[in-house]
Amino acid sequence: DAGITQSPRHKVTETGTPVTLRCHQTENHRYMYWYRQDPGHGLRLIHYSYGVKDTDKGEVSDGYSVSRSKTEDFLLTLESATSSQTSVYFCATRTGTSTDTQYFGPGTRLTVL
Amino acid sequence: AQSVSQHNHHVILSEAASLELGCNYSYGGTVNLFWYVQYPGQHLQLLLKYFSGDPLVKGIKGFEAEFIKSKFSFNLRKPSVQWSDTAEYFCAVSPYGGSQGNLIFGKGTKLSVKP
Repeated sequence: DAGITQSPRHKVTETGTPVTLRCHQTENHRYMYWYRQDPGHGLRLIHYSYGVKDTDKGEVSDGYSVSRSKTEDFLLTLESATSSQTSVYFCATRTGTSTDTQYFGPGTRLTVL
Repeated sequence: AQSVSQHNHHVILSEAASLELGCNYSYGGTVNLFWYVQYPGQHLQLLLKYFSGDPLVKGIKGFEAEFIKSKFSFNLRKPSVQWSDTAEYFCAVSPYGGSQGNLIFGKGTKLSVKP
């Protein structure tokens, strides 16, 4: 494991409310990723970061924004949560070398009512 | 678009049976290949990976995978499964040198091992 924590671990919220999920790492990895996991879809990339203040969109970025003001923290924000964003969200990190792999955090289960 | 296909959605085996999970990808260039495992209620853990060299890769817990370039496949195998192997298995591909190391995942295969 790469010292990744996610908070909160569980959250229930209502449609239309803003939600921020936090990913924190202690390994000084350059790259950080946010995925969502849904039954029958595997993991899909939402956004990723390749350095402080450097982020880019993934496959399913609509409705999500991210920020990375420090190497160790990567925030995922749902500006106005919808029921379709009910999912399990995983953060991952990677050092950035050519032979490195991604290491995953414990996940956040988000329910939007 | 690049994609990863895992042929089996749910596999049910008895203990000591042999396992093979299929994975095929669509990408014409060089790729890095991965198998991850997710035990119930837990996060993804790396089982094994292939970057180059010997196409037969050995991972943790007795798993291995074979990269067959001509078939765009990276199948996962284990000669004798245990009840503790019950989990969901994900194949993932990363195009070499591109996309910031982003992974493209298959939809996963659930493995249930009966004691």
